[in-house]
Amino acid sequence: QSVLTQPPSVSAAPGQKVTISCSGSSSNIGNNYVSWYQQLPGTAPKLLIYDNNKRPSGIPDRFSGSKSGTSATLGITGLQTGDEADYYCGTWDSSLSAGHGVFGTGTKVTVL
Amino acid sequence: EVQLVQSGAEVKKPGESLKISCKGSGYSFTSYWIGWVRQMPGKGLEWMGIIYPGDSDTRYSPSFQGQVTISADKSISTAYLQWSSLKASDTAMYYCASSPSDCSSTSCYSSYFDYWGQGTLVTVSS
Repeated sequence: QSVLTQPPSVSAAPGQKVTISCSGSSSNIGNNYVSWYQQLPGTAPKLLIYDNNKRPSGIPDRFSGSKSGTSATLGITGLQTGDEADYYCGTWDSSLSAGHGVFGTGTKVTVL
Repeated sequence: EVQLVQSGAEVKKPGESLKISCKGSGYSFTSYWIGWVRQMPGKGLEWMGIIYPGDSDTRYSPSFQGQVTISADKSISTAYLQWSSLKASDTAMYYCASSPSDCSSTSCYSSYFDYWGQGTLVTVSS
């Protein structure tokens, strides 16, 4: 059972904007960087955002990330049909001595 | 070019053991964490555990502690995920992924997964 909560699904028309929330706690999001991953159907996940708001080389600036307190948000502007995928947030959780990583519950983005 | 190449699909019976692999290339294998992620059919990503091949520091999710063993052979740049006794509920796609290390004043930890393997499908069925 994931400790990071995301909405199961979001949708919007092509060209519009969607935001995906990721809610955690002080032991994870509150004190660690957040990353975001895109998983297209039948493929391995791909890193979209790291360190809360940084984009790896090759990721368009239509994708953005932010963090406030114990929540994080992924934004996608200029929605395209190719953005239909599952999106996951991730971070480190320091609640146990050694710590461990955690993923969010995942959000399916549908382009209407 | 960074690459993580995983071993092929496996079909096993309940109670059997299994070890799958993930070979890294194109980067310094001992300077990055390698993690394992489970994805059960139709479900989300689950963080299983991670190893730092440089010093074999290994961390497990509480959900997977004692259920699997993560190891690495830095001489051949390969990480492993193994089970001693498989269950039908272990049927899933398993991904390995590399992660830069981040350090606080007291310890180091995995920050994010930047490169991913292609996945290994494990099917456990009698």
